[in-house]
Amino acid sequence: EVQLVQSGAEVKKPGESLKISCKGSGYSFTSYWIGWVRQMPGKGLEWMGIIYPGDSDTRYSPSFQGQVTISADKSISTAYLQWSSLKASDTAMYYCASLIGYWGQGTLVTVSS
Amino acid sequence: DIQMTQSPSSLSASVGDRVTITCQASQDISNYLNWYQQKPGKAPKLLIYDASNLETGVPSRFSGSGSGTDFTFTISSLQPEDIATYYCQQYDNLPGTFGQGTRLEIK
Repeated sequence: EVQLVQSGAEVKKPGESLKISCKGSGYSFTSYWIGWVRQMPGKGLEWMGIIYPGDSDTRYSPSFQGQVTISADKSISTAYLQWSSLKASDTAMYYCASLIGYWGQGTLVTVSS
Repeated sequence: DIQMTQSPSSLSASVGDRVTITCQASQDISNYLNWYQQKPGKAPKLLIYDASNLETGVPSRFSGSGSGTDFTFTISSLQPEDIATYYCQQYDNLPGTFGQGTRLEIK
């Protein structure tokens, strides 16, 4: 069974750093693009960026370039989304998603002072 | 950056109705288009891939068509469990972009 399992909910303060994860299983993790999608409260879906774990080729949406870092560790079939300095406006649900249609369960990130 | 224009933004229909949602790409994306269904509090679910292919296990009342810049998603006979928000998504130009979504309600 294909699964993408994300790390748990996070509550952070503005200015703090954060790295959330997405572990794949049941398929060839290195062979398919995997990306991160933001969904702000009551809003639509936004692709943030995507990575090919086989060679770490990474593409960012213009709105998110320089704001986050996407990486992957193919040895443990895990993709990551990282912030160096969170803002209140980063409060959202974050999903990892493969281009073959599999999605993680979502990680809720709350940034509040 | 490819823009996806999805319409309508919301739709109210009766059980049994035929429902159609359209998505227009700002440039040719061939058939690199997915359609997703998202219910409240849940992750999106893939319904249609490559513009017209039904994902395994998805009811046959869902269908998709189109290529190039113009795409259509259809529910042939609306069921109560189809209440959700639907999104198109292009993956011709990575990382990909979503349409704005269509919220579907029962009349």
